[in-house]
Amino acid sequence: LAKTTQPISMDSYEGQEVNITCSHNNIATNDYITWYQQFPSQGPRFIIQGYKTKVTNEVASLFIPADRKSSTLSLPRVSLSDTAVYYCLVGDKYTGFQKLVFGTGTRLLVSP
Amino acid sequence: DAGVTQSPTHLIKTRGQQVTLRCSPKSGHDTVSWYQQALGQGPQFIFQYYEEEERQRGNFPDRFSGHQFPNYSSELNVNALLLGDSALYLCASSPGTDRGVYYGYTFGSGTRLTVV
Repeated sequence: LAKTTQPISMDSYEGQEVNITCSHNNIATNDYITWYQQFPSQGPRFIIQGYKTKVTNEVASLFIPADRKSSTLSLPRVSLSDTAVYYCLVGDKYTGFQKLVFGTGTRLLVSP
Repeated sequence: DAGVTQSPTHLIKTRGQQVTLRCSPKSGHDTVSWYQQALGQGPQFIFQYYEEEERQRGNFPDRFSGHQFPNYSSELNVNALLLGDSALYLCASSPGTDRGVYYGYTFGSGTRLTVV
């Protein structure tokens, strides 16, 4: 499974846009990029998933360049409740059997 | 629609004891995976169950074992507890059979195990 690299931590203020970049230089052709969010003492929660270009949902946007060696999770107008750890994972999308490989994630702190 | 349910939420055990953690998957999911998350670290894969069989396993010793029941619920057992087993144990469920697009695993809130 492709390894991912993310910043350990980021700070932001309420109302700002936050962009978290993930590097995955060895991503395979069949791999998709998935982001999870985790609050303290809770399990990770699926945020968004994509293969290439741009994906947007009600929570976030995911930007993936043509070479797919990196991706950027964009959180528009963050609030205090967006303070959490964000994990970037890569793996085969078309299976529910995959073993998820988490790194240490990016700890986002949103201040007033 | 109930998500993944884990019990108990917190547990304190003594070194050398044995512990059993329980998980009920999300409705419609037939595959259960277990993860261990140490403080400040990302979750680490322990093993996965499908059709009552262990389908794949991570790098964990045989002290960690599991079971899946016909109703898809699952148990994680840890024998001869060590201080280093203190962690948040997460259960994740998914529709294991290939149903095309899926939107990520559903995790429970975990069981916080403290070994003293």
